Amino acid sequence: QQQVKQSPQSLIVQKGGISIINCAYENTAFDYFPWYQQFPGKGPALLIAIRPDVSEKKEGRFTISFNKSAKQFSLHIMDSQPGDSATYFCAATGGSNYKLTFGKGTLLTVNP
Amino acid sequence: GAVVSQHPSRVICKSGTSVKIECRSLDFQATTMFWYRQFPKKSLMLMATSNEGSKATYEQGVEKDKFLINHASLTLSTLTVTSAHPEDSSFYICSARLAGGADTQYFGPGTRLTVL
Repeated sequence: QQQVKQSPQSLIVQKGGISIINCAYENTAFDYFPWYQQFPGKGPALLIAIRPDVSEKKEGRFTISFNKSAKQFSLHIMDSQPGDSATYFCAATGGSNYKLTFGKGTLLTVNP
Repeated sequence: GAVVSQHPSRVICKSGTSVKIECRSLDFQATTMFWYRQFPKKSLMLMATSNEGSKATYEQGVEKDKFLINHASLTLSTLTVTSAHPEDSSFYICSARLAGGADTQYFGPGTRLTVL
């Protein structure tokens, strides 16, 4: 199975709040899990990524939590800002072809 | 670092003509480049994987004779949409993987193709 399931489809958060986006995967061969941020009309930009050997990775206001046994990982955006309003994609890859399998995306809106 | 550019950013063409889109890694060498297509409010759909000096590998359902991919150097890959039709109108995005085995893909800014 190559699927990565992402939820929620859309999310509205107040400024200063915490945004949480969840992803689940099935393929145990996946060993690299990046998150991308995409603004309308632009290409995706790498936000943060994690490997299964750690359970959490933090970069600034962005944190990935990883649960290997549950095959789930999530993105937490602390102190969410209106400028964070964008579509977020989780992805996964593993093996020699380096293909990324993307989730369907989450449209985040942060209200001022 | 790790900047990927695409040219053009927008193109409008007439039905039946061909359009070439360039993808360049500006500050690194890319063994592998990928081409994606994205429909409005949808996720990225991988079209093909391009390795420098070899033929591209196309995903199931992608017409290789319609979407010609060339990866002539470690910093340049091109996608040519041949005999374009209105249904080919879309947002095309490339990504590049750092040479040396890294998993990280860096994406270009995308090209908006409109076929009239």
